[in-house]
Amino acid sequence: DIQMTQSPSSLSASVGDRVTITCRASQSISTYLNWYQQKLGRAPKLLIYVASSLQSEVPSRFSGSGSGTDFTLTISSLQPEDFATYYCQQSYSTPYTFGQGTKLEIK
Amino acid sequence: QVQLVDSGGSLVKPGGSLRLSCAASGFTFSDYYMSWIRQAPGKGLEWVSYISNSGTIKFYVDSVRGRFTISRDNAKNSLYLQMNSLRAEDTAVYYCAREPNGKIDYWGQGTLVTVSS
Repeated sequence: DIQMTQSPSSLSASVGDRVTITCRASQSISTYLNWYQQKLGRAPKLLIYVASSLQSEVPSRFSGSGSGTDFTLTISSLQPEDFATYYCQQSYSTPYTFGQGTKLEIK
Repeated sequence: QVQLVDSGGSLVKPGGSLRLSCAASGFTFSDYYMSWIRQAPGKGLEWVSYISNSGTIKFYVDSVRGRFTISRDNAKNSLYLQMNSLRAEDTAVYYCAREPNGKIDYWGQGTLVTVSS
């Protein structure tokens, strides 16, 4: 199985900050990498697919990059509604696997 | 609009069985692969199973293979997960999900399965 490792596991930041979350795959997954946002008690929401494509109706302050084994999710200017947990997920091979999550908290 | 409504979760004893259902609307159900994804309390996400649009291709994560069965009824726009021989470690919120090309673009609200004596 492909292991997905996110860093950091938690992060404190302020409104207006630029934030980057990293996801590393245990083997090359090309660009088969998706990012999700999950707020407490809610289902996850797709933000980015195939590493850098922005899902419909997701604000443009979210962006993704990377290929192979190393990927990043960047939020260019944090808004109050962005404080949540973020997950990466590989869709290169089954079983599709998720990272352990990065909890983004208000500083 | 796309809507997925999960149901069927409850408290069940170890070794017991449960059937989850998902009612889909707002899209052509028979065009899409569908999945079940779970999240144990306070933990991360785990892809449990998927089924092709026709129902002929099925995948299970190792931890549930042989105990869980995914199925669908395209005439009823419904997805199912039959869960047998349940264990404490199966305790989780189970999400029904629409899965085009390996990404989940729509999720149900989740249904809680608790396995405990």
